[in-house]
Amino acid sequence: GAGVSQTPSNKVTEKGKYVELRCDPISGHTALYWYRQSLGQGPEFLIYFQGTGAADDSGLPNDRFFAVRPEGSVSTLKIQRTERGDSAMYLCASSRTSAMGNEQFFGPGTRLTVL
Amino acid sequence: DQQVKQNSPSLSVQEGRISILNCDYTNSMFDYFLWYKKYPAEGPTFLISISSIKDKNEDGRFTVFLNKSAKHLSLHIVPSQPGDSAVYFCAASVYNQGGKLIFGQGTELSVK
Repeated sequence: GAGVSQTPSNKVTEKGKYVELRCDPISGHTALYWYRQSLGQGPEFLIYFQGTGAADDSGLPNDRFFAVRPEGSVSTLKIQRTERGDSAMYLCASSRTSAMGNEQFFGPGTRLTVL
Repeated sequence: DQQVKQNSPSLSVQEGRISILNCDYTNSMFDYFLWYKKYPAEGPTFLISISSIKDKNEDGRFTVFLNKSAKHLSLHIVPSQPGDSAVYFCAASVYNQGGKLIFGQGTELSVK
């Protein structure tokens, strides 16, 4: 079956612009996670959804970052007024539920570069 | 504050020998630990996990050991194979935090 997919695979934008990153989770997975990975670091938690609602958004760095999952499937991470420090690999993962022990399956990521 | 630490950025091992990757954590609330493996241009893939009620979990060539008193876990790969060359991330979670994972910085393993 299909894994987690993310589009675009690469996104180059200019400082101050708005970007949207999309994640298609594995069908039937109710939990969806967003992480950000900077060079030489491990993935850093941003937000997770259980169904349509954001259950924990404590990792979002500031109010320029927002994510939605309106139908409980596809999710979009939105970044307003991008800054050079937002440049990173953005990873999405899904799991059957958010209960501990459920394996998170990761997508290949979107590499965001802010010039 | 780095709650999960992998202090060795890289490790080189000969094929057939044992690889030992280490991970330390500071948050005593962590009760579930995982190892993920990442190849270039791919997302991390789950390798093996361990609950805090255990001190060892084995799956084929991979064994994870947990020392709660030392807040330390390690991943043993034996025998190591060239296909094991990748970046390995240690991650931890807390039971009531919905699967949110806290990752270490990663260790790049090279098997030759």
